[in-house]
Amino acid sequence: GAGVSQSPSNKVTEKGKDVELRCDPISGHTALYWYRQSLGQGLEFLIYFQGNSAPDKSGLPSDRFSAERTGGSVSTLTIQRTQQEDSAVYLCASSSIAGAGETQYFGPGTRLLVL
Amino acid sequence: DQQVKQNSPSLSVQEGRISILNCDYTNSMFDYFLWYKKYPAEGPTFLISISSIKDKNEDGRFTVFLNKSAKHLSLHIVPSQPGDSAVYFCAASAFGTASKLTFGTGTRLQVTL
Repeated sequence: GAGVSQSPSNKVTEKGKDVELRCDPISGHTALYWYRQSLGQGLEFLIYFQGNSAPDKSGLPSDRFSAERTGGSVSTLTIQRTQQEDSAVYLCASSSIAGAGETQYFGPGTRLLVL
Repeated sequence: DQQVKQNSPSLSVQEGRISILNCDYTNSMFDYFLWYKKYPAEGPTFLISISSIKDKNEDGRFTVFLNKSAKHLSLHIVPSQPGDSAVYFCAASAFGTASKLTFGTGTRLQVTL
């Protein structure tokens, strides 16, 4: 596609429910990143993929968070047993390859609200 | 520990004047710096970048300056236009971290008529 797309654009859920967030990177981009932005904060790195593998998961806040990528394309970020502090904008980005100096292109984000 | 800091949460500049957005970092391993611009309800858009081997990079109305000894970078926009009104994020990455970006908290720029 022309750019990074994410779905849903907005998600409201109840505390304790599981949610899945989807990211479609730019076609041909091998690197995919997940970030989140909480209210009044900068973007916080969560995880990145090179192909289907995730060499760096250091930013995942807890074991309730997981992500996978299949076919070197679409990625899904899953949050289990959501908590109110999970409310944030979840942003996905992709780049041609994972490497210093590679520009990351961001999607519009998924706004998650946990009630 | 905030490794990338944008100490000014907001900035207001008149149209046609220069906008200067500042960013400080603490991690001496950072060697690549980027500025992103973000409009409401949209993802960040890449604006300009600079590697640590340079001290200046220019692209049209946008110039980024890097002072490695001070661990400081700045983004100059001249002349400022109303369409530049957005939140600007400074970001940094370190060699060997596969472009994992560390972001500042952003500065909201408002360009007034």
